[in-house]
Amino acid sequence: QKEVEQDPGPLSVPEGAIVSLNCTYSNSAFQYFMWYRQYSRKGPELLMYTYSSGNKEDGRFTAQVDKSSKYISLFIRDSQPSDSATYLCAVVDSSYKLIFGSGTRLLVRP
Amino acid sequence: SAVISQKPSRDICQRGTSLTIQCQVDSQVTMMFWYRQQPGQSLTLIATANQGSEATYESGFVIDKFPISRPNLTFSTLTVSNMSPEDSSIYLCSVPPRGTYGYTFGSGTRLTVV
Repeated sequence: QKEVEQDPGPLSVPEGAIVSLNCTYSNSAFQYFMWYRQYSRKGPELLMYTYSSGNKEDGRFTAQVDKSSKYISLFIRDSQPSDSATYLCAVVDSSYKLIFGSGTRLLVRP
Repeated sequence: SAVISQKPSRDICQRGTSLTIQCQVDSQVTMMFWYRQQPGQSLTLIATANQGSEATYESGFVIDKFPISRPNLTFSTLTVSNMSPEDSSIYLCSVPPRGTYGYTFGSGTRLTVV
C-alpha cells in the first residue's frame, strides 16, 4: 500500500464549478499536509499547508484534513481555466521528507 | 520562503554521458532534497543532501549513479551518471523554509536522454 494515495484523474469541470481533490494516507503519525499545483513544464508551487486536523482557507482555496479517516481534501471555488494544472498532495514524514501522492490532473473548461 | 535557482532548465544528452544539475538557494538551509519526476508520474525522493556529510539516498537510488555535492549551505549539485533513456525525467531540488513546512522547489531540469 502506498503511503499517500491520490486519484490521478483527469478531472474535467466547467468554469465556475467547485472542484474537490482528495487524498488518503496510511500513517496516522503524519502531522503536516500540503497541496502543490504544478503547471506543465514547471516545478511544483505550494498552494496550501495545514497542520493536524481542520480547515484552512486562502481565497478560492480551502484545504481540509480529517485525521480520524486519514483523508485530506482541497476545494477550489469558482474554478477558472487558469486553475488547469496537476494538483499534488503531500505529507511530511518524521525525517522531514515529503511524500507525494500521484497527482490529479485538472482541466477547467471555459 | 526561499528562492531557488536551478540550472540547466533542460538538456538533451547522449546515452552514456553525465549531466550535473545545480541548485542555488538565496538563504542558508540545512537540508536540500533532490527529486525525480518521471513522465506522467509524481515526485520521488532521490536523496537528502546535508552540508558537511554524505547524502542519504532513498531505496532504489545509489551514489554511483546520482552523486551529490553540498559544498555549503546555499548550493548543491546532482549528477546523473552514465545516462540511459530511462533517466529521462524532470529533476527537482527542494528546501524546507524556516518556520513552516511549506517546502519550496526549483523550477526543475527537464532531461531527455537519446
